[in-house]
Amino acid sequence: DQQVKQNSPSLSVQEGRISILNCDYTNSMFDYFLWYKKYPAEGPTFLISISSIKDKNEDGRFTVFLNKSAKHLSLHIVPSQPGDSAVYFCAAHSTGNTPLVFGKGTRLSVIA
Amino acid sequence: DAGVIQSPRHEVTEMGQEVTLRCKPISGHNSLFWYRQTMMRGLELLIYFNNNVPIDDSGMPEDRFSAKMPNASFSTLKIQPSEPRDSAVYFCASSLSGGNEKLFFGSGTQLSVL
Repeated sequence: DQQVKQNSPSLSVQEGRISILNCDYTNSMFDYFLWYKKYPAEGPTFLISISSIKDKNEDGRFTVFLNKSAKHLSLHIVPSQPGDSAVYFCAAHSTGNTPLVFGKGTRLSVIA
Repeated sequence: DAGVIQSPRHEVTEMGQEVTLRCKPISGHNSLFWYRQTMMRGLELLIYFNNNVPIDDSGMPEDRFSAKMPNASFSTLKIQPSEPRDSAVYFCASSLSGGNEKLFFGSGTQLSVL
């Protein structure tokens, strides 16, 4: 059973517009959330994270929003650039020495 | 630092053959993870180690899969015998600890079992 769900396998956005990637989770014990970005033929790389005590974290063009009551988080990229085209994985973690649980990923295509 | 190093980058083998994937974690990292990426299941955790000790191998799909970490700088994932459904990209990752430290991934091994 998928504890972290990314229901959109793909997303296409025009350059300069906002990209919104969504993620839902089922485990209420998750308290730390991360987004990873993956280019073809490379491993995923860390992008941005958020703790459950916050509802927003911003890093340049990237902002992650967390809605704990809805068990939902989203990644906003604005403005989107062609170099942002990649697969984005949402991941979650619960307190203690437990490993990350990943979603299936969303492939973002930013069209020039 | 060179990052997490995996070998080989690509492996093509025939069904029934033994496959060994290798990983060198980042020096100083205490936790090592093996993930498998497929279209159907995304990134799924196979096994992870803390201080060279296997902590959770519940994600290993079958007894055909085994993993070892003989020292802090080397780990292997072995599949014997391999089957076509094992075809996937296998990633190794390491972190400073097993907690919410961010993971650093290798470039992966693309495995094709014919």
